[in-house]
This record gives sequence, structure tokens and C-alpha cells, in this order.
Amino acid sequence: DIQMTQSPMSVSASVGDSVTITCRASHDIGKSLAWFQQKPGKAPKSLIYAASGLHSGVPWKFSGSGSGTEFTLTIKSLRPEDSAIYYCQQYDSYPWTFGQGTKVEVK
Amino acid sequence: QVQLVESGGGVVQPGGSLRLSCAASGFIFGDFGMHWVRQAPGKGLEWVAGIWSGGTSKWYADSAKGRFTISRDNVKNTLYLQMNSLRADDTAVYYCAREDVCPTVTCPLDNWGQGALVTVSS
Repeated sequence: DIQMTQSPMSVSASVGDSVTITCRASHDIGKSLAWFQQKPGKAPKSLIYAASGLHSGVPWKFSGSGSGTEFTLTIKSLRPEDSAIYYCQQYDSYPWTFGQGTKVEVK
Repeated sequence: QVQLVESGGGVVQPGGSLRLSCAASGFIFGDFGMHWVRQAPGKGLEWVAGIWSGGTSKWYADSAKGRFTISRDNVKNTLYLQMNSLRADDTAVYYCAREDVCPTVTCPLDNWGQGALVTVSS
């Protein structure tokens, strides 16, 4: 199985700042990498597909990059409503696997 | 708009069975692969199972193999997850999610249901 490792586990930032989350895959997954946002008590929301594609309706403040085994999610101009847990997920091969999540707190 | 609505969750004793349903609307259900993803209380996301658009190919996480069965009815626009031999560590919110259409063999998830809570407890 492909292991997905995110870092950091949590980050705290101020309104207007930017944060970058890293996701590493244990094997080459090409660009088959997605990012999700989950707020407390809510279903995950799809943000990024194919490492850097933005799902419809997702603000341009979210951007993804990377390929192979290393990927990043950057969130710019942070606002309090960006506070959430962010997960990466590989869909290159079954079983699909998620990272453990990164909690972003915006003060 | 795309809607996915799970039902069938509840409390079940260890060793028992439960069938989850996911009613889909707002798109041509038979054109899309579908998946189940779960989240134990306070934990991260775990992919459970997936099924091709036509229902002929299915995939399972090791934790689900031999106990869970994913299926679909493209006439009723409904996805199912039959869960047998349930254990306490199956306690989770179970989400159904749609797999987008894309040029590659496997494609990303794009829409999620609101989730159904399954509690396995005596």
C-alpha cells in the first residue's frame, strides 16, 4: 500500500498569512493526488485534483503543486473560515490512501 | 446540482450486519464510479471501497475485505454498502463520494454526501 505522510500535523497562522502543507507519498504516484478540506462536523470538501487542478468553485487562494512523491498545498490570504483539517489522498492505485491530516488554525 | 444522501446508519451489536444506502441525484449515476470513505470518531479519513460505473469492478480496503460488499443499482440511482461481522473499530461516519470522470484510469473524488453514523456497540 502507498503511505501518505503530511507535515506539519498542525499550524497556526494569522489572518492574511499564507501556509504551506506538504504531503509525501511512499511510492511515485505521478500527479494522482487530491486535497480535501474538512471543517468540524462536516463532510470533506474536494479542493484540488491531479496535484494542481482546482475543483469548480474553489477560490484561487488554494493552490497545489508537485508530482511523483512530494506535493504541497498552499493557502494564501488566510481568513478565519479557512480553519479546518486538510487531507491529501492518492488515487494512483488501490487501496486509495489518505494522509493523516493537517489542522490549520487561523487566528 | 449533485446530491448524495446516505441512510441506514445506526447502532448495531458486534458481529451484526448493516446496509448503508446512498441515494444519488442531479447527475447520470450510471456514468460515474462511486466510493465509500469512513471516519472514526476523532480520526482521519479512510477509504473503504469503490465500484466502477457499471458495477463490474470493485475494490476494497484490507479492513473491509471479506466482510463488506459494495454494490449499486443504476436504475434506482443508489449505492450500497453491506457490512457484515461488524466490529467496534468499524464505528465511524461513512461517506459516499462520487469519482469524477477524467482521462486516467482512476479519477479523483469530487462530491461527497453528508455521512451516516454507524456505531458498533453492545
